[in-house]
Parts: sequence; structure tokens; C-alpha cells
Amino acid sequence: GAVVSQHPSRVICKSGTSVKIECRSLDFQATTMFWYRQFPKQSLMLMATSNEGSKATYEQGVEKDKFLINHASLTLSTLTVTSAHPEDSSFYICSASRDRGPGREAFFGQGTRLTVV
Amino acid sequence: AQRVTQPEKLLSVFKGAPVELKCNYSYSGSPELFWYVQYSRQRLQLLLRHISRESIKGFTADLNKGETSFHLKKPFAQEEDSAMYYCALSGRGGDDKIIFGKGTRLHILP
Repeated sequence: GAVVSQHPSRVICKSGTSVKIECRSLDFQATTMFWYRQFPKQSLMLMATSNEGSKATYEQGVEKDKFLINHASLTLSTLTVTSAHPEDSSFYICSASRDRGPGREAFFGQGTRLTVV
Repeated sequence: AQRVTQPEKLLSVFKGAPVELKCNYSYSGSPELFWYVQYSRQRLQLLLRHISRESIKGFTADLNKGETSFHLKKPFAQEEDSAMYYCALSGRGGDDKIIFGKGTRLHILP
């Protein structure tokens, strides 16, 4: 099966510091990866679409300077939360598609719990 | 605008009873519809997609374009069906984003 791995699974950082979250497709190449944010007992909110070798496409209301996304290779995308604040504390999830076109399946990472203190 | 609506936050059903999780969508064009499931302490995973017209773990979902709905159904609930279910929508382009509904927690009562 297709596996997507996120690292770290849990991180605590101080206000004002930056945190990097990695998303890797372990056994397939993913030209497109998606980053979501999930608040407690709420749905997944799409933050941005990450395309290999090009700039990420951010959803309305998501600060691109705050949430830096880099998709350096076909198997790795990173999300960096810059100058983190307590309100950035959340569960961040990435997903990747192995295929393109109709009916393609998205494979999800296990998520990263970010706590900013 | 793209939108997925799941009206029920929580649905409790007795074991053996029929299950229906509601999903309505808004999309200008022909969307792809999916159901994803998240079991306790596991990651989100695909349950089924409308394009495949498949039945997975006894679940089926029919796309009703007239009612813009994609309800998930199962005739006889099982305890292992307890999970969080998300309806999702995407465009047909290769890079089109996937938008999720707020999810419905299905609780199967013994």
C-alpha cells in the first residue's frame, strides 16, 4: 500500500520560534501534497496545495509567510510554522495522491500535534 | 464555491440496524465524491469513492446529482463500524484539492 509519513508526530515549542513538519511519501512519488489543519472536534481545513518544484497554492485566509511550504522532491514536502504563537497550536495533517485524474485516492499522514507554549 | 455539508455531528445506531450518514455538496461542475473514515487512534483512510461504484465493508454511497447528495449507507451496522466519517469532494483535475465535510461520528450501540 501507499504510505505517507509525517515527522514529528508531536512537538512542543516556545512562542516566537519556528517549527518544521515533514511529510514523506515512502513508497510512491507524489507530485501533489496537501496540508490540512484540524481543530479539536472539527473537520480538516485545507491550508495549501503543495506542488513539486513550484510554489504552493494557499487557501484564502492562510498566511503564506506564516506557514511556509516547500515541496523539494517528489517524496517530500515540508511545512514550517514561523514565529509560532499559542493560537497556532493544532493538529496538522498532510496527504498525498499517488495517481492523477478522477477517483484518485489521497493517502494521509498520521498527523503532527503542535503545541506552542 | 465548493462545500461539503454533513448535518449530523453524532449518529448513534444499534448494532444490526441500518445506517445512513448524510452528505450534501455544492460544486459548480462535475465533482468527485469520496467517503473517508478514521477509526480510533488511526489515520484517515479512504472508504469508498463514487466513481468506483463499489461496496466496502458493506457500505455503499450513491451520487444523486439532482439532490447534490452522496449519503453513505449500510443495511446492518456492526460494532466495528464505530468511527469518524468524512465526506469529501474534489474536482476532476489531476491536482484538484480535496475538501472535507465536518465529519459525523458514528457510534454503534451493542
